[in-house]
Amino acid sequence: AQSVTQLDSHVSVSEGTPVLLRCNYSSSYSPSLFWYVQHPNKGLQLLLKYTSAATLVKGINGFEAEFKKSETSFHLTKPSAHMSDAAEYFCVVSDLDQGGKLIFGQGTELSVKP
Amino acid sequence: GAVVSQHPSRVICKSGTSVKIECRSLDFQATTMFWYRQFPKQSLMLMATSNEGSKATYEQGVEKDKFLINHASLTLSTLTVTSAHPEDSSFYICSAKRDRRDTEAFFGQGTRLTVV
Repeated sequence: AQSVTQLDSHVSVSEGTPVLLRCNYSSSYSPSLFWYVQHPNKGLQLLLKYTSAATLVKGINGFEAEFKKSETSFHLTKPSAHMSDAAEYFCVVSDLDQGGKLIFGQGTELSVKP
Repeated sequence: GAVVSQHPSRVICKSGTSVKIECRSLDFQATTMFWYRQFPKQSLMLMATSNEGSKATYEQGVEKDKFLINHASLTLSTLTVTSAHPEDSSFYICSAKRDRRDTEAFFGQGTRLTVV
């Protein structure tokens, strides 16, 4: 079975500084990985996805993530945080052994200080 | 494209009544839809997977008689919370895939259910 682990439950950064949200995955084959963002009382918005093409994936709103097989990581980064980036972020893997079911990480709450 | 709409966004109901939540794929046909439950400050918990025209597959520990799921068409799935109790209060989110083999799913905006 596949799984993802988000290493930080909460990250706090200052506006204009870089963002790093960490995610490690466990998979017996090449995974499909996603990052989603959720604002309070809202649904999920896809930031970016990795599906075995380029290892550096660029997403919306200036976010990107790099798939590193040797480290089994898929960390999410952004060069400069904006106040509107404050939200909950989920790292997700698609488990093909379970019919493509999405397996969610525990989530990381990002706070952005002015 | 790939828009999923959930309705209602918020609902308050009395204990003992039933509530229906709709999930519609607006611009694509969804052969597979998923229903999640999310408690405050927690991740999404998959409740069930529904495939159009067949019975839903429920995750372990989810009461199928309490959470009725219907996926009667390629654009609509419904979740009915029967005989709701305050402990059923939660945020419910649906997602949809064009095909079960697709890796990407598209999410609705969620429904906040409060049972009083």
